[in-house]
Amino acid sequence: EVQLVESGGSVVRPGGSLRLSCAASGFTFDEYGMSWVRQAPGKGLEWVSGIDWMNGGRTGYTDTVKGRFTISRDNAKNTLYLQMNSLTAEDTALYYCARDKYSSSHYLGSDYWGQGTRVTVSS
Amino acid sequence: SYELTQPPSVSVSPGQTARITCSGDALPKQYAYWYQQKAGQAPLLLIYKDTERPSGIPERFSGSSSGTTVTLTISGVQSEDEADYYCQSADSTGSHYVFGTGTKVTVL
Repeated sequence: EVQLVESGGSVVRPGGSLRLSCAASGFTFDEYGMSWVRQAPGKGLEWVSGIDWMNGGRTGYTDTVKGRFTISRDNAKNTLYLQMNSLTAEDTALYYCARDKYSSSHYLGSDYWGQGTRVTVSS
Repeated sequence: SYELTQPPSVSVSPGQTARITCSGDALPKQYAYWYQQKAGQAPLLLIYKDTERPSGIPERFSGSSSGTTVTLTISGVQSEDEADYYCQSADSTGSHYVFGTGTKVTVL
């Protein structure tokens, strides 16, 4: 059974840092891309960042987090990370990790999602 | 930044057909994906590559594409289909994925 379990969310002051983790199990982690998607309270989904299946592989970020957030993965530990720096109130959200399915380099969608970890940026 | 526009809400009676549109300039060149999110739950992939349905997704969910608009159709709507629906696609460079603004489907 595929499982994605996020952790690391907490209350942090503006300007602070946080590292989120996503522990994956039930599938061959290094064969899949992964993404972080967030949802602010009462708002819609926002794609935050994605990484392809290799350690240190190709990454992408939404413009609002570029230069502040860093996505990475450790395939030996089956874990995805999101390092978040210079946090602002606008980063307050539930952060989901999701498995990205590919076929011959064609994206087939995010087919499994965790239950999310909550980040609150407040003084 | 790239945007995908959806109607905020759609209301439909049980057994009827609901259609949710998603508009974006890059949609003629990029595939669209559709997700369902029920209250308090993580999103669920309904449609990928405009029209394909993952295994386990009911046949009443279908996707179509025409120019800068893609459409999710729910045929024979059931009460359990009440949820928020989001389209997703990439910008013209293919390096950034964005979600649509979301549509709340209410089953009357």
